[in-house]
Amino acid sequence: EADIYQTPRYLVIGTGKKITLECSQTMGHDKMYWYQQDPGMELHLIHYSYGVNSTEKGDLSSESTVSRIRTEHFPLTLESARPSHTSQYLCASKRGMGQPQHFGDGTRLSIL
Amino acid sequence: DQQVKQNSPSLSVQEGRISILNCDYTNSMFDYFLWYKKYPAEGPTFLISISSIKDKNEDGRFTVFLNKSAKHLSLHIVPSQPGDSAVYFCAASNSGTYKYIFGTGTRLKVLA
Repeated sequence: EADIYQTPRYLVIGTGKKITLECSQTMGHDKMYWYQQDPGMELHLIHYSYGVNSTEKGDLSSESTVSRIRTEHFPLTLESARPSHTSQYLCASKRGMGQPQHFGDGTRLSIL
Repeated sequence: DQQVKQNSPSLSVQEGRISILNCDYTNSMFDYFLWYKKYPAEGPTFLISISSIKDKNEDGRFTVFLNKSAKHLSLHIVPSQPGDSAVYFCAASNSGTYKYIFGTGTRLKVLA
């Protein structure tokens, strides 16, 4: 079983707050990803990283930002949360080409 | 434009019978395909993958078939068990990138 952890699992918070969603993996994977998923919809890639100090925006535009200062840690930040940010956020990592992504259990975020 | 499509949002199958989940893709550059299983309140779990150099890959009760000319892949589960009840996502990638494109998922219910 893959070792990738996301905290918090659930978060209900008011509009305008700054939020950081944590993602850590203990497998030494270089590649890490953030996806956003709404019920019944596909996973949309919002950010990815190929290694330390490397971050790129994904296919779905997002107001969030990410950082990759350490290999094992890939936090996602929303500077000012809005109701439109309500969604599930999934973090994943992978070793290299031809390898599957391993997912955390996600953070379900609700902005009131 | 959705590059990976799962046209059946749900499927019900009797325990012990075969479950067949289908996935179509449009991008001929995709050369690596995966299936993930997702239980409620958990992240997707990798199930099985196939490279475009193969047309079949088997792992226990799970077999994935790839028809490149039709741009179609399918997942067969034989025999189906109640514990297989979950949402199944197919995903595709071009090995020149590390990004996966996901379908919208098919909810499988295996009836005891």
